[in-house]
Amino acid sequence: DAGITQSPRHKVTETGTPVTLRCHQTENHRYMYWYRQDPGHGLRLIHYSYGVKDTDKGEVSDGYSVSRSKTEDFLLTLESATSSQTSVYFCAISESTIRGLGTEAFFGQGTRLTVV
Amino acid sequence: GESVGLHLPTLSVQEGDNSIINCAYSNSASDYFIWYKQESGKGPQFIIDIRSNMDKRQGQRVTVLLNKTVKHLSLQIAATQPGDSAVYFCAENGSSGGGADGLTFGKGTHLIIQP
Repeated sequence: DAGITQSPRHKVTETGTPVTLRCHQTENHRYMYWYRQDPGHGLRLIHYSYGVKDTDKGEVSDGYSVSRSKTEDFLLTLESATSSQTSVYFCAISESTIRGLGTEAFFGQGTRLTVV
Repeated sequence: GESVGLHLPTLSVQEGDNSIINCAYSNSASDYFIWYKQESGKGPQFIIDIRSNMDKRQGQRVTVLLNKTVKHLSLQIAATQPGDSAVYFCAENGSSGGGADGLTFGKGTHLIIQP
């Protein structure tokens, strides 16, 4: 699985609580991404990172923040979880810019988050 | 990605037949396209990619066709096997808005193999 580990794999949390999901890679790839997957919507980009401390918003960034203090780790935080954030979250990595150079993205196994 | 409604399209084929999965992409600036396969409970796995300077690319039992004129992408799977049962996504490198990096995905097609 291209050296990508997501943790936790499953989590149930209550509305209003903070939640942090972790993505760890061993490939030394520069770019990292967080996607969410919901029925009928495919995968949608939340945030991405193009280097340590360099992040930017994706299509569905409201209610989420990210941090990247090391090349290998990319954290996704839900500051105050809502039921609409119940989803499966996937981390992905790529060696370089997908938009600019067209590079394959490798995906982790996903984290299933349920907000009750 | 695929211009479909809220329900995931399904394609049912007989084992041994060829499968063709279609995708209409949205961004005319996209110049790189990927097909992913996703099995239940797993992350998307790369199948094959194609750049906009090509019309066709072949892999092992799979072929991707690109028609830039009508912004259409297709995945052909030869001699479909039970292990091909999965959801298939097309993805493009043009953003859906805002200029973000990363891939923009279609909604997916569920391929079911009948014995």
